[in-house]
Amino acid sequence: EAGVAQSPRYKIIEKRQSVAFWCNPISGHATLYWYQQILGQGPKLLIQFQNNGVVDDSQLPKDRFSAERLKGVDSTLKIQPAKLEDSAVYLCASSLDRGQYFGPGTRLTVL
Amino acid sequence: QKEVEQDPGPLSVPEGAIVSLNCTYSNSAFQYFMWYRQYSRKGPELLMYTYSSGNKEDGRFTAQVDKSSKYISLFIRDSQPSDSATYLCAMSGGAGGTSYGKLTFGQGTILTVHP
Repeated sequence: EAGVAQSPRYKIIEKRQSVAFWCNPISGHATLYWYQQILGQGPKLLIQFQNNGVVDDSQLPKDRFSAERLKGVDSTLKIQPAKLEDSAVYLCASSLDRGQYFGPGTRLTVL
Repeated sequence: QKEVEQDPGPLSVPEGAIVSLNCTYSNSAFQYFMWYRQYSRKGPELLMYTYSSGNKEDGRFTAQVDKSSKYISLFIRDSQPSDSATYLCAMSGGAGGTSYGKLTFGQGTILTVHP
């Protein structure tokens, strides 16, 4: 069974630029999550999708972050404009019922 | 106060030692408890998944949950250098596919097992 795929793996941008991350979940997993993991901390949920609907986006900074999951499969997370404090690893996870399975993450550096 | 507290370590042990990793939490609504292992520059990997109180064993790993004390533990027996990683506890109020499936993580414990 293929795991969660994410791209790109690394991204370096300057502050105020925009960036987008892509995620392809495990086949058949209806629930998809985006997490932000700052160095030395545990992942923090940004947004949860059930199929293509948003279940929880209470911790998503909506003035600069947006996410979509068209057709209930792939998802993209966008940051526009980026700030220095957005430097982190962005993890995508998917779930069927027991536990969540994570992709390798995208490491974002904002200069 | 954070919802989930985990001693960040770092923890360094010799090969073959028994390792104990712990988390405490404050939200009594948590019912599902997980341990993830995260190698450097990789995503978290699900190690153990337990529901409510009790013990669960899988090979060299044992997870314990004490809901009355709001305390969970992961024990690693006969630790190996390949166990060197960051261990994250995580918990939720519902199963992964539900609207309550949001995970709240501890900050992780860095474990090094030296030969």
